[in-house]
This record gives sequence, C-alpha cells and structure tokens, in this order.
Amino acid sequence: DGGITQSPKYLFRKEGQNVTLSCEQNLNHDAMYWYRQDPGQGLRLIYYSQIVNDFQKGDIAEGYSVSREKKESFPLTVTSAQKNPTAFYLCASSIPEGSAFFGQGTRLTVV
Amino acid sequence: GNSVTQMEGPVTLSEEAFLTINCTYTATGYPSLFWYVQYPGEGLQLLLKATKADDKGSNKGFEATYRKETTSFHLEKGSVQVSDSAVYFCAPKWQGGSEKLVFGKGTKLTVNP
Repeated sequence: DGGITQSPKYLFRKEGQNVTLSCEQNLNHDAMYWYRQDPGQGLRLIYYSQIVNDFQKGDIAEGYSVSREKKESFPLTVTSAQKNPTAFYLCASSIPEGSAFFGQGTRLTVV
Repeated sequence: GNSVTQMEGPVTLSEEAFLTINCTYTATGYPSLFWYVQYPGEGLQLLLKATKADDKGSNKGFEATYRKETTSFHLEKGSVQVSDSAVYFCAPKWQGGSEKLVFGKGTKLTVNP
C-alpha cells in the first residue's frame, strides 16, 4: 500500500542529545514537509523540500536540520540547539495541485 | 505573503447540531482549497477539497464551497455526530513559487451525545 511512514512513534531525548526522526514515502511525491505541533496548537512548518538534494527553511527552522538524499526519504534531526523540542512532529508529502499525505506522527519528549 | 485565517475554537456542539467553521485566505492568485481532519494522536487526513471557484467539495456529510468573491472556504455539516469530534484544518495551496503548504490554526470540535 502507498503511504508515508514515520518512525519511531514515541521518542525520548536526553538534554544535549541530537535525535533523528525518520520519514519515508512510497507515493513518488517530489515535495516533502516537516511540521511541529504543540498541544492545542496548529502546525508550524520546520523545513520543506521540493526536490531531491534541495530543501528550504520554514518558519521555525532554528535547532533543526534535514537532508534529502533520496526522493523517498526526508529525515529530521532535532539538535541540542533546539531548546524546547518536546512536541508532536508530523511529516507530509504532496504533488503539485494535490492534497498532502501525512504520516502518523512522532511524539518527542525530553527527559 | 499567502496566509489563511480560520475560526478559532474550541467548538462544542450537541449531536445533530449544525456546524460551520469559517476559513478565509489572502487573495493572491487562485489556490486550491483543502480541509483536513486530525483525530487524537494521529496525523492529518484529507477531508475534502475544491480546486476552482464555485466548486463544492464534500465528504462524510461535510461540505465546503470555493467562494472567490469572498476568498472563503467555510466548512459545514448539517448534523454532527460524536465521531466527528476532532481538529479541523483549512489549507489553501498556491501553485508555483515555493509550493509551501499553509495551514490554518485548527479548530477543535467536540460533539456531545
């Protein structure tokens, strides 16, 4: 079945650690996105990529990094520079003029 | 820049009540318009869409009409059910340029029996 898969579903990070969230899609979509969602809040765009080997900062890119080496994959690294990383992270993909497809999300907690 | 304004919640209704969630966008070009729904602990799913003026999107009893003259795409349902309790997001999508997906802030709907 075609879809978009995020892993892990739950992730715990210690202070000062970098962690990487995985996002894989088999929909053959060019565009991929990472969003952060805080409790009771909307979606805030972290990074997006329209094509392999290219990506742009969103509204809250500080403390995060991404790569897009393959069309199917768009991993997000939450670095130690991100001071308040506890949140629900959503990955999405889309085609031009089409709707977005979302993964099930990764809930990151700092311990 | 392109933006969207969505009615803030939370919205609490009784079962079988009428629902309206307002959504307006900035009038830069003619975006495709989408409503997404998010159930607790999950990602977003497409609810309905409209791609040109006067188009009506519909799904699961929900409807929204693309109103170019008022740059709006309000979500409506004539009779809500408890299972409709979720967060709803309006999302215009402008073509060309950055292809950046823009979402409204979301409206949390709770339907009581």
